Formats: sequence, structure tokens, C-alpha cells
Amino acid sequence: EPEVTQTPSHQVTQMGQEVILRCVPISNHLYFYWYRQILGQKVEFLVSFYNNEISEKSEIFDDQFSVERPDGSNFTLKIRSTKLEDSAMYFCASSENRVNQPQHFGDGTRLSIL
Amino acid sequence: KQEVTQIPAALSVPEGENLVLNCSFTDSAIYNLQWFRQDPGKGLTSLLLIQSSQREQTSGRLNASLDKSSGRSTLYIAASQPGDSATYLCAVRGNFNKFYFGSGTKLNVKP
Repeated sequence: EPEVTQTPSHQVTQMGQEVILRCVPISNHLYFYWYRQILGQKVEFLVSFYNNEISEKSEIFDDQFSVERPDGSNFTLKIRSTKLEDSAMYFCASSENRVNQPQHFGDGTRLSIL
Repeated sequence: KQEVTQIPAALSVPEGENLVLNCSFTDSAIYNLQWFRQDPGKGLTSLLLIQSSQREQTSGRLNASLDKSSGRSTLYIAASQPGDSATYLCAVRGNFNKFYFGSGTKLNVKP
């Protein structure tokens, strides 16, 4: 069964550095998403992406964050000037369409900011 | 702002028992509701997706219902097995394609 893959599984970065998290969505899916889950807290929506542009974003997704689909397969989340509070699990998801198909999640990248 | 609540936070049952997990949401203007399971250190596995116009969805031993007007959904698990042990999350898709998750119910099924 096709799946969403995320790399790396664990990223350790010094505070203030930039980090890029990578995702390969399921190949025929058109909508892509990023979520984060701070340890012990709810999964939080960050951003949705369709047709090479942001579809929706949450209040969390400020100028520190950006997303990109640099080629036909990868979907990346860039976090600039990382802060300690950016430490979390970051999940990528994709879906065939926006309305009536489920989202499929990757196993996540654990980001640790030191 | 949409708030999603799941009760109970944790549940421990003996194998074979039927059980119900609850999810409530404050804003009934949703497009759909999705149930997931999350295993430790893993991502979320989609279990069932219910559209706002639907009342329930079934997959194997799982049945999810939705009462949009009262802001509630339940996930029914029949004949529970130790392999069902995981955290179960519900998420609603609200206005403007934003998604809101509950805190989850951590289920332990004892052999």
C-alpha cells in the first residue's frame, strides 16, 4: 500500500539554525499538509498546500515557516531561525482531494532544538 | 475557535470487550470528521472518515457515528484485541480547510 514517507526520522539542530524537513506524499495525491505535535499536546494543523501554493495556514504558521514542492515528488517544510519551542514531532500528510478522501500521514520527524 | 474534546483520556479493558470512545466538538459547521490511531513513535493511521452529511461509517470491527447538530462522534470497537492498544484521535475539518484534533484516548486492551 502506498505511504507517505518523511526524512529524517530525527533531526537535532542548534537554536537559531535553519532546518528543512522532507516528505514524499503518495504519488496520486493532490493536497499536502504539515502538522506538529509538541510532546504531550494535541496534533496541531500548520498548513495545507495545493497546486503549488498554500491553501490554508494556521496562526502557528508565521514568517518563520515556509513550504515548498521543489520537484514532482518532494514536499518540504523549512523552519528559519529555530527556537527551543519548535521542538516537536512534525507530521506530513496527503490526500487525493480536499473534501471526501482521508488524509494519510507519515511517521513524522522528531525535531529537537538544543 | 473549534475545540475538540475526547473522553475518556485513557481506557483499560480486558480482551473481547466492546467499547466506545467519544469525541465532541464545539462548532457544528464541519465538513468531515476522521478517526485515527496512533501507535507510540509512529504517525497517524486513518481508520474512518465521516462526511458531514453521513451518520456513520463502518470498517471491520470499527463503527463510527456522527451527530453533527450535537457536536458528537463515537467510535465503537467490537470484540477488542490486544493489537487494538493505541491512542485514538479524532479530527474535524472546519471552515477554510483547517483541521482540529482532540487530545486522544489511550486504549489498553489486556490479554
